[in-house]
Amino acid sequence: DSGVTQTPKHLITATGQRVTLRCSPRSGDLSVYWYQQSLDQGLQFLIQYYNGEERAKGNILERFSAQQFPDLHSELNLSSLELGDSALYFCASSVDGGEGDSPLHFGNGTRLTVT
Amino acid sequence: AQSVTQLGSHVSVSEGALVLLRCNYSSSVPPYLFWYVQYPNQGLQLLLKYTSAATLVKGINGFEAEFKKSETSFHLTKPSAHMSDAAEYFCAVTHMNRDDKIIFGKGTRLHILP
Repeated sequence: DSGVTQTPKHLITATGQRVTLRCSPRSGDLSVYWYQQSLDQGLQFLIQYYNGEERAKGNILERFSAQQFPDLHSELNLSSLELGDSALYFCASSVDGGEGDSPLHFGNGTRLTVT
Repeated sequence: AQSVTQLGSHVSVSEGALVLLRCNYSSSVPPYLFWYVQYPNQGLQLLLKYTSAATLVKGINGFEAEFKKSETSFHLTKPSAHMSDAAEYFCAVTHMNRDDKIIFGKGTRLHILP
């Protein structure tokens, strides 16, 4: 058990809809990362938050947004969903801002299916 | 900029045979290197990490990796494959730079043949 909790585990929704994915980091970790994993694109980094502030941005679409709350949990919002957004979305956490040797701890992911 | 290349998106080995998964990195400063494993329907788990203390790093489940600066490589090995090793393996790189994030390779799926 990594200590990172993601909800929900599965999500099925229609095109054009909006969903929210939630992540609780491991106790004591200040950074939260969001990744998208699909068969054709592999593991794609979306965005990182550190102690409530955006730290790094990757291949995140404008239709997607995220935030980290004062209690350090994070939410990833996906809107105007398209079929191509169907993927596994992972949250990971680390104790530092990602510049050191601290590893990432991954949750078990949310599987999003857009129909 | 840093990057990671994993040679071979799929590797098949027989049970009991040597496992070798290749990872090459590019980094302008001394790197931190990681191997992660992903079992079906699970998130990634840390196998081992290199942080300059020793070039040969031992991880969980009998895996180890050797950092070779001259070859910019960090290949993952295991002397004898088990069926339970079937999974996807990711190499990752980062370093002590506040502006850089952890970079993952595209992954190598390891198949174990009975």
